[in-house]
Amino acid sequence: NAGVTQTPKFQVLKTGQSMTLQCAQDMNHNSMYWYRQDPGMGLRLIYYSASEGTTDKGEVPNGYNVSRLNKREFSLRLESAAPSQTSVYFCASSERGASWGTDTQYFGPGTRLTVL
Amino acid sequence: AQSVAQPEDQVNVAEGNPLTVKCTYSVSGNPYLFWYVQYPNRGLQFLLKYITGDNLVKGSYGFEAEFNKSQTSFHLKKPSALVSDSALYFCAVAKDTGRRALTFGSGTRLQVQP
Repeated sequence: NAGVTQTPKFQVLKTGQSMTLQCAQDMNHNSMYWYRQDPGMGLRLIYYSASEGTTDKGEVPNGYNVSRLNKREFSLRLESAAPSQTSVYFCASSERGASWGTDTQYFGPGTRLTVL
Repeated sequence: AQSVAQPEDQVNVAEGNPLTVKCTYSVSGNPYLFWYVQYPNRGLQFLLKYITGDNLVKGSYGFEAEFNKSQTSFHLKKPSALVSDSALYFCAVAKDTGRRALTFGSGTRLQVQP
């Protein structure tokens, strides 16, 4: 039982390049989330998916797109990377729909992205 | 809009002493409150949560937190700190109505000295 896995662990991009961050969970959770973590700012929600086939914007969605490929996988795409997107990206999952605020979220190990 | 404040960037405590990491929140409606811990180069790990009921919540690794509605606080405590408790601690809040997404505080670094 691996929990939440993310690939890659590290990535360096040049401005304007694109890439996709992959996330998968093996806990049969319905909801999945993408956060970014910046120094002194805690975690900010980029997008979330309350169930397979649905996605919604979070606090900081600009410059990102997401795909809930199936129940297990939730990917985050940067179409044209900018230096402001340099951050650590975390994927998380929780058991029920995102409207269930009581649910514990389980986090992956993170992807450290640098955009030059 | 909901928000969380962690007023201390860093807390230093000697091993064996009690520790407190402070958190205050602002939310309309009833809050759901969480504490997570992050060790270096790792994802966040769940410590404890308050949903309803007893204001004193016990969690993993000997941590506990007290929900105080009048002071809108949810401070994390441990009676006797360990060096291995040194990490980054995040408080988070969700609300019981509408979109219940988590809002995180900026984090408090706990340093436990031997």
